[in-house]
Amino acid sequence: KNQVEQSPQSLIILEGKNCTLQCNYTVSPFSNLRWYKQDTGRGPVSLTIMTFSENTKSNGRYTATLDADTKQSSLHITASQLSDSASYICVVMGGGYNKLIFGAGTRLAVHP
Amino acid sequence: DARVTQTPRHKVTEMGQEVTMRCQPILGHNTVFWYRQTMMQGLELLAYFRNRAPLDDSGMPKDRFSAEMPDATLATLKIQPSEPRDSAVYFCASGLTSAGGEQFFGPGTRLTVL
Repeated sequence: KNQVEQSPQSLIILEGKNCTLQCNYTVSPFSNLRWYKQDTGRGPVSLTIMTFSENTKSNGRYTATLDADTKQSSLHITASQLSDSASYICVVMGGGYNKLIFGAGTRLAVHP
Repeated sequence: DARVTQTPRHKVTEMGQEVTMRCQPILGHNTVFWYRQTMMQGLELLAYFRNRAPLDDSGMPKDRFSAEMPDATLATLKIQPSEPRDSAVYFCASGLTSAGGEQFFGPGTRLTVL
């Protein structure tokens, strides 16, 4: 079954600290993996898109990694800011017909 | 400032009523997606269009939901009749390709069916 699982479900960190969010998937065939940030009450905003051949991609303080062999991805946030408080959603495109399969998201709260 | 717009932003209606949600994709984008987000299910793809033609609506309950693109600047999602279980946030997104391309999301329509 094509699934995307994220961990942890929620996370609280102090401002300035780093954190890493995890995403495991069982989607086949695989097309690409995306990380989105969704602020409360807003639509998701794309952070990174990675294909099979890419194993790391950065967007400012956000760095995503992809291990296509183990079917794992992570999103590392460096020097967190209060504005990083949001839900982070891992999405895999694949499973035939290039469907988007969504993870449940990790809710991150950055406290001062 | 190009962005996807959605109307209305909030809708409260009674069970059995028709609901129409509208989306204006970013000018020039040829792919439009409709998603539904609930606390229990997270984000689900309902339907998507490329060049105004429906490519996949397998995620949509066909008996009550319908999605159309009357022209390149307007996409609509209708629910008739609405049910309380339809309460969710409905997002529209647009992009330039249906495979691998980045998608830009609108602000969503929060629907409450009483």
